[in-house]
Amino acid sequence: KAGVTQTPRYLIKTRGQQVTLSCSPISGHRSVSWYQQTPGQGLQFLFEYFSETQRNKGNFPGRFSGRQFSNSRSEMNVSTLELGDSALYLCASSPSPVGPNTGELFFGEGSRLTVL
Amino acid sequence: GENVEQHPSTLSVQEGDSAVIKCTYSDSASNYFPWYKQELGKRPQLIIDIRSNVGEKKDQRIAVTLNKTAKHFSLHITETQPEDSAVYFCAASKPGTYKYIFGTGTRLKVLA
Repeated sequence: KAGVTQTPRYLIKTRGQQVTLSCSPISGHRSVSWYQQTPGQGLQFLFEYFSETQRNKGNFPGRFSGRQFSNSRSEMNVSTLELGDSALYLCASSPSPVGPNTGELFFGEGSRLTVL
Repeated sequence: GENVEQHPSTLSVQEGDSAVIKCTYSDSASNYFPWYKQELGKRPQLIIDIRSNVGEKKDQRIAVTLNKTAKHFSLHITETQPEDSAVYFCAASKPGTYKYIFGTGTRLKVLA
């Protein structure tokens, strides 16, 4: 099985711009989560989607948004970029529904965003 | 709010020694506690997990213990090897959700 695929892998933007990141989950996985990883802060939960519906949302401003398509692929968007948005954005997919043997998150390699 | 504290932030051990990483969670409703290993430049990968109905789980050189009363859980690595060098993250989640609250990570260095 192919793993979780994220594009683009690297991107550089300037303050005020917006960015869209894409994630293709493992085939058959219907849950897609997004995390922001920064040095010293670890992985911070952004949101989780299942069957095109946002099930959970983290404590991020409204500039961060996402969506999921009918084929389970997901995108996240950050508008009006700030310097502090520079981070590695990780997507993870999981089988569903959540059960005793379905807790594992399968991460992609991430999209590294640099905001200048 | 939901929070997971992880200590230490860095840990250096001699090859062959044991390493212990500790986490404390705040939400008593949490019932699933995974540990992820992230090697430099790579994606995080699950190495072991434990559910709240179990007190300890072992997988070869790795073990995790859980104290629900104290809301503590720990990762134990015995006979450490250089390839164990990585950043380790603990996490906690509640039933029926893939919303994981991660600790801030422990950078483990195994010195040959």
